[in-house]
Amino acid sequence: DVKVTQSSRYLVKRTGEKVFLECVQDMDHENMFWYRQDPGLGLRLIYFSYDVKMKEKGDIPEGYSVSREKKERFSLILESASTNQTSMYLCASSPVTWNEQFFGPGTRLTVL
Amino acid sequence: SQQGEEDPQALSIQEGENATMNCSYKTSINNLQWYRQNSGRGLVHLILIRSNEREKHSGRLRVTLDTSKKSSSLLITASRAADTASYFCATDKAGTYKYIFGTGTRLKVLA
Repeated sequence: DVKVTQSSRYLVKRTGEKVFLECVQDMDHENMFWYRQDPGLGLRLIYFSYDVKMKEKGDIPEGYSVSREKKERFSLILESASTNQTSMYLCASSPVTWNEQFFGPGTRLTVL
Repeated sequence: SQQGEEDPQALSIQEGENATMNCSYKTSINNLQWYRQNSGRGLVHLILIRSNEREKHSGRLRVTLDTSKKSSSLLITASRAADTASYFCATDKAGTYKYIFGTGTRLKVLA
């Protein structure tokens, strides 16, 4: 079974803190994605990576950065957390383009 | 607006009934996928249908795709309480690695 794990299920941080969300997949997938999910807005793509050290901006990259030093790990970084980044963050991976994505359980981040 | 828009936003049915939800999209696609999300969890892939396919089945799921109308439907037959979840369609953005997810249909199946 493909497994995508995320470092935390719930996270509470203060405004201005640097926040790291980590995602690990165990199926040697090339592609990895970070989404945020907000009520009424569905899933919105923040960043994705199609290879190690490769990244591309999604639809809402402002305020976020990413790191992919190893194929199995994709990190999302909030350089200076703000209250409008309170959301559910979902990581996903897929083996090739135009294929199904495997999602992690999500991290519910609250920024106070 | 989202590439994929689901309709209805919410649906409540009795156990044993069929549930139908629809997805419309705006631009050409290579394939369309449906996902399920149980409350507060990650999404689970249900089915993928390619642009040259018109219908696909998987267990109690039936998906149709009409590329001329840029729409798809997901039918869940003989629904169960365990089918209670949100359902999302996702369409690939041609020429990119991206998928665009809709806002979802919340299905509630009453026992």
